[in-house]
Amino acid sequence: AQSVTQLGSHVSVSEGALVLLRCNYSSSVPPYLFWYVQYPNQGLQLLLKYTSAATLVKGINGFEAEFKKSETSFHLTKPSAHMSDAAEYFCAVSEQGGSEKLVFGKGTKLTVNP
Amino acid sequence: GAGVSQSPSNKVTEKGKDVELRCDPISGHTALYWYRQSLGQGLEFLIYFQGNSAPDKSGLPSDRFSAERTGGSVSTLTIQRTQQEDSAVYLCASSSGDRGNIQYFGAGTRLSVL
Repeated sequence: AQSVTQLGSHVSVSEGALVLLRCNYSSSVPPYLFWYVQYPNQGLQLLLKYTSAATLVKGINGFEAEFKKSETSFHLTKPSAHMSDAAEYFCAVSEQGGSEKLVFGKGTKLTVNP
Repeated sequence: GAGVSQSPSNKVTEKGKDVELRCDPISGHTALYWYRQSLGQGLEFLIYFQGNSAPDKSGLPSDRFSAERTGGSVSTLTIQRTQQEDSAVYLCASSSGDRGNIQYFGAGTRLSVL
């Protein structure tokens, strides 16, 4: 069965500092991996996805993530945090074939301090 | 439409009543998903539609939950005899089935069962 673990339910950074949100997954078949962002009272917006093309994936708003098979990780980074990055971030995995339903981590709430 | 539309955005009901939640997917998207987001359980998959059929209903928590999709478009999630533990945000997503299966989410319906 697939699963996703996000380390740290809350992360706080200063504006301009590096953002690092951690995600580890388990999957019995090659996975698709996703990062979504959720702003208050809104749905989920896709930041980026990994589909086995390149291991370093660039997304919107300056975010990127690196797929490391040996570590079963897909951590999300951004070199310089902006106040507008404050939101909740979800890592998700789906298995190729079948319904390709998403299995989500518990989420990490990012706070950006001025 | 331009995005996934869900209605109502908020629903307050009394315990024991039935509710219907509606999802209008992105035009042309053949795949449709329902998820539930609650404080205790995070984001959970409920049901997947491909066209009008539902090959994966594995996430429906009880037989009080049902869903249908008509015309390969609009979907309705019905909860019968609502219970307080049904209180959550119900999210709908649709996908074109492209490689990587990007799912586009609606803003959700916030259900409160009193």
